[in-house]
Formats: sequence, C-alpha cells, structure tokens
Amino acid sequence: KAGVTQTPRYLIKTRGQQVTLSCSPISGHRSVSWYQQTPGQGLQFLFEYFSETQRNKGNFPGRFSGRQFSNSRSEMNVSTLELGDSALYLCASSLENRGSNEKLFFGSGTQLSVL
Amino acid sequence: GDSVTQMEGPVTLSEEAFLTINCTYTATGYPSLFWYVQYPGEGLQLLLKATKADDKGSNKGFEATYRKETTSFHLEKGSVQVSDSAVYFCALSRNSGNTPLVFGKGTRLSVIA
Repeated sequence: KAGVTQTPRYLIKTRGQQVTLSCSPISGHRSVSWYQQTPGQGLQFLFEYFSETQRNKGNFPGRFSGRQFSNSRSEMNVSTLELGDSALYLCASSLENRGSNEKLFFGSGTQLSVL
Repeated sequence: GDSVTQMEGPVTLSEEAFLTINCTYTATGYPSLFWYVQYPGEGLQLLLKATKADDKGSNKGFEATYRKETTSFHLEKGSVQVSDSAVYFCALSRNSGNTPLVFGKGTRLSVIA
C-alpha cells in the first residue's frame, strides 16, 4: 500500500507570494491533518479535514487555508507569504482519526523556504 | 490548554549507551500518550503508545511508562544504536472527540559509533 505522498518536496518562494501544497493520503483514509514543523516551535497543528469538511482548526492566521477533495486528497494554501512561514509542512492521514486507537501516518513533508 | 514538554536536545550518545528522553504533560482528564520518531528526510512514525495510567508502551527496544502521578512518559532504551539517530517527539491525545495530537518540540538524538 502506498504511503502518504506530499508534493512538492521542496519549494522556494518570495515574500508576498502564495503557495499550494498537496497531500495524497493512504488509500481508504478519510482524515487528513496538516502540521507546521519549525526548529523553534516543533509541530503545530494547522487543520484537519474529514470527508471534505474541516473538522478542526489550529491557531493560525486566515492566510493559511485548506481543502479536501472527494477522493480524500488535500491541499493547503498559504497566501501573502512571510519569512516566518518557512517551515516543513507535514501531512498525516488516518482512517477516521477518532482518538487514541488510530495511528497517524505521516508524509515526508514539503520544505518551504520564503526569501 | 494541553501541552507537552520534552527535554531539549541535542542528545549525543555513544553506541550501546543507555537513553532517557524526558517528557511531561499537562492535560485535563486522562489523555493517551505517544512517542513518534522522525528519521532524517522522513515524516514521523509512531514508535509506541500508552492509553492509560501505568501502561507501558514498547517497540524496537524502546519503552515508556505512563505515570499519572508525575504526569510523565519518559522514553528509555537500554542500548542505543547508530540507526536510532533521529528526532523523537512526545505527544498526547484527548480520548474524547476528534481533537488533534499535541506534540512536544522534539529531541534530536545522535548516536556515534
């Protein structure tokens, strides 16, 4: 079974631009979560989608948005990029993500650098 | 709100040394606790978990015991290998609803031969 696939692997953008990251979950998984990983803050939760609906949202500004398609693939978008948005963005999928009995499967991430 | 605090790294050990990475948590109720590992260039993988007090999670020689009285979930391994070099994340999950995992900031471990 293929794992969680994130594209692209690396991105370089300049301040003010916008960016779209893609995540394909494991086949059959309906929940997709996004995390931002930085050396100083560790992993911070962005949002979670389940069956095309945002089910949870972290404490990030409205410049960060996402969506999920009917095939469970998900995209996240960051508009008006700032230097502080430079990070590794991780996507994780699970069957339904209903608590401790489910394991999250992570992709390798998209490394975003904002210049 | 819920939070996880891990010892800061990096931690550098010689092969076959004993490893402890401290993790404490703050949460209401009775969360489940996890250790995830991130090898270079990869995403996170679940290493072990414990869902109630006094449970011990174990995998690949790593162990951690859920201590409610000290709100801790320290990761231990008796004899580390070079291949254990990675970043280790402690995390918690509320057992109710669809709340997201809360992660610590991670501890980088380097094992030298």
